[in-house]
Amino acid sequence: EAQVTQNPRYLITVTGKKLTVTCSQNMNHEYMSWYRQDPGLGLRQIYYSMNVEVTDKGDVPEGYKVSRKEKRNFPLILESPSPNQTSLYFCASSLVVGGAGEQFFGPGTRLTVL
Amino acid sequence: AQKVTQAQTEISVVEKEDVTLDCVYETRDTTYYLFWYKQPPSGELVFLIRRNSFDEQNEISGRYSWNFQKSTSSFNFTITASQVVDSAVYFCALSEYTGGFKTIFGAGTRLFVKA
Repeated sequence: EAQVTQNPRYLITVTGKKLTVTCSQNMNHEYMSWYRQDPGLGLRQIYYSMNVEVTDKGDVPEGYKVSRKEKRNFPLILESPSPNQTSLYFCASSLVVGGAGEQFFGPGTRLTVL
Repeated sequence: AQKVTQAQTEISVVEKEDVTLDCVYETRDTTYYLFWYKQPPSGELVFLIRRNSFDEQNEISGRYSWNFQKSTSSFNFTITASQVVDSAVYFCALSEYTGGFKTIFGAGTRLFVKA
């Protein structure tokens, strides 16, 4: 089944404790992206990647890191989480042949930073 | 800079009413892509439609239709004869190439369809 998976789905952590949210897709998509969703703000792009070893900042990259060492994986790293990073996070992937394609989203990771 | 405005925060209609969700965008590029996504109460994000800036043809898919007007920078979404299952948050999004495809989402419109 074609899908984007994220782990964990729920995470409660404390300020300053490094964490990684994994994202994996099995559709051979070049493009992958991370978003955070906050009430009243819609989805805001954190980072995106056009292909392996190619990443770029979205609108809200501060406090986050990403890497794209393999085509299928795009982990999101919070080196020193803070309470303002409490949010619902979505990973997405898409094809980019012919332009920006429809994005397929993972189920979301709800992160709480205490 | 990119911007997507969904001015309607919440809309409430009664089943079988038609409803239009507005989306206005800003971009400096001549090549860009517009999308609508649906987020039902279960939380997943579902793709509805994609349009590139060179294709202003309106589209109809069942009870859903989209009106793309470059002259007013709008990409509005109409649901005809709404149903309770249409209750969801709807997001409009814009992607433009800036060395990569950066994507901006609107804040979303929450649609309540009452039986």
